[in-house]
Amino acid sequence: GIQVEQSPPDLILQEGANSTLRCNFSDSVNNLQWFHQNPWGQLINLFYIPSGTKQNGRLSATTVATERYSLLYISSSQTTDSGVYFCAVEPNNYGQNFVFGPGTRLSALP
Amino acid sequence: DAGVIQSPRHEVTEMGQEVTLRCKPISGHDYLFWYRQTMMRGLELLIYFNNNVPIDDSGMPEDRFSAKMPNASFSTLKIQPSEPRDSAVYFCASSRLGELFFGEGSRLTVL
Repeated sequence: GIQVEQSPPDLILQEGANSTLRCNFSDSVNNLQWFHQNPWGQLINLFYIPSGTKQNGRLSATTVATERYSLLYISSSQTTDSGVYFCAVEPNNYGQNFVFGPGTRLSALP
Repeated sequence: DAGVIQSPRHEVTEMGQEVTLRCKPISGHDYLFWYRQTMMRGLELLIYFNNNVPIDDSGMPEDRFSAKMPNASFSTLKIQPSEPRDSAVYFCASSRLGELFFGEGSRLTVL
C-alpha cells in the first residue's frame, strides 16, 4: 500500500521562528489533509489541500501532487503551535481509507 | 454544525466489562471512521462505513471488538470483554468528498 513519510520527526523552535514540515507519499492520491493534534489530544483540521497552495493566517500549505509531496509552513511560531502535525492522504482507487503519516512533533518554546 | 460528537469523553472500567463508545457524525457526511490511538502504535484505523455499511473492518483487532451504524447519525464501537491492552483514545471521524473531521475522542482506561 501507499507509504506516507513526514519530516522532521521532531522540531524544537523558539517563539517567533519559522518552520517547514514535509510530507512525502509514494503513490498518487485523491486528497491530502494536514492536522494538528494539540497537547490536549484534539485533532484539528488545518488544510484540505489535494493540490496547490492555501494560506490561513500564519500557516500555509503547498501540495505538489505530481511530485508526491506536501509542505506545511508555520511562520512566527507561537507556543500554541506545539503538538503533533499529521499529514493524511486518500490514495487513488482505495475508497476513503485515509493513510496517516507518523507525524512531526513540534515544540515551540517561549 | 456541531462537528463530530463522541461520548463518553472518558471511561474507566475494569477488565472483563463491556464498553460502548458512541459517535454522531456531521450531518450529510457519508463516511464514518473509528480510529484508535496509543503511544506505541500511533493512529490506527479500526473500521469505516460508507452510507451506514461497513466497508473495511480489517483493522478491528479481534472478535471482542464490534461496530455498528444503524443509521446515518449514529454509530457505536463495542468492546466485550475489555482488557487492559484496550486502553487508548478512540476517535470517531466523518467525511464527505474526501475531507475528514475528527471528534474529540473517548479516552478508555481498562484496569
